[in-house]
Amino acid sequence: RKEVEQDPGPFNVPEGATVAFNCTYSNSASQSFFWYRQDCRKEPKLLMSVYSSGNEDGRFTAQLNRASQYISLLIRDSKLSDSATYLCVVNEWGTNAGKSTFGDGTTLTVKP
Amino acid sequence: GAVVSQHPSRVICKSGTSVKIECRSLDFQATTMFWYRQFPKKSLMLMATSNEGSKATYEQGVEKDKFLINHASLTLSTLTVTSAHPEDSSFYICSALGAGVYNEQFFGPGTRLTVL
Repeated sequence: RKEVEQDPGPFNVPEGATVAFNCTYSNSASQSFFWYRQDCRKEPKLLMSVYSSGNEDGRFTAQLNRASQYISLLIRDSKLSDSATYLCVVNEWGTNAGKSTFGDGTTLTVKP
Repeated sequence: GAVVSQHPSRVICKSGTSVKIECRSLDFQATTMFWYRQFPKKSLMLMATSNEGSKATYEQGVEKDKFLINHASLTLSTLTVTSAHPEDSSFYICSALGAGVYNEQFFGPGTRLTVL
């Protein structure tokens, strides 16, 4: 079983749609969580950190459920520019501080 | 956010040559940097953790004599692919660990290596 699992998609949605991505992680020692987006042939860029209380940034909402070891990303009112691969990233603290485990990514295509 | 540069962005070389890739944190000091490689349609695979002033920690299956890492200063880490072969062709990405409490990573733009 992978340490971080994501639905690979692809998700093909029309502009304006709401889309949700899920991610599960297996290491209960994980302490910090992120969503990155990666455009084709580019480096990953931090989209948002995921806080225990959940957090929202404009059209993007991230949620964390530690009991179920589950992270989600909700995108509302999808734009064409949201088309990308979204990576779920999980970090440990302590001796492995900063060492990230990446999911394989979920591909989103927003169509006109 | 923090800026990380990587050089070169693209390199094509002949089999058997060595290639050096530089990773720099431009506006912050990074005691820890990471080197990844990424195959098409796959996620990032961590190769090694680079700590300033000490030896790099390599992930299982990554040959340390093949992929030499040097983290000589708080703003520069280098990855040298020695005696490159076609199977080393890949997208290599470095990241620098931010100073925030959540340990965000900031990625360089990547280096696309093609070995002929």
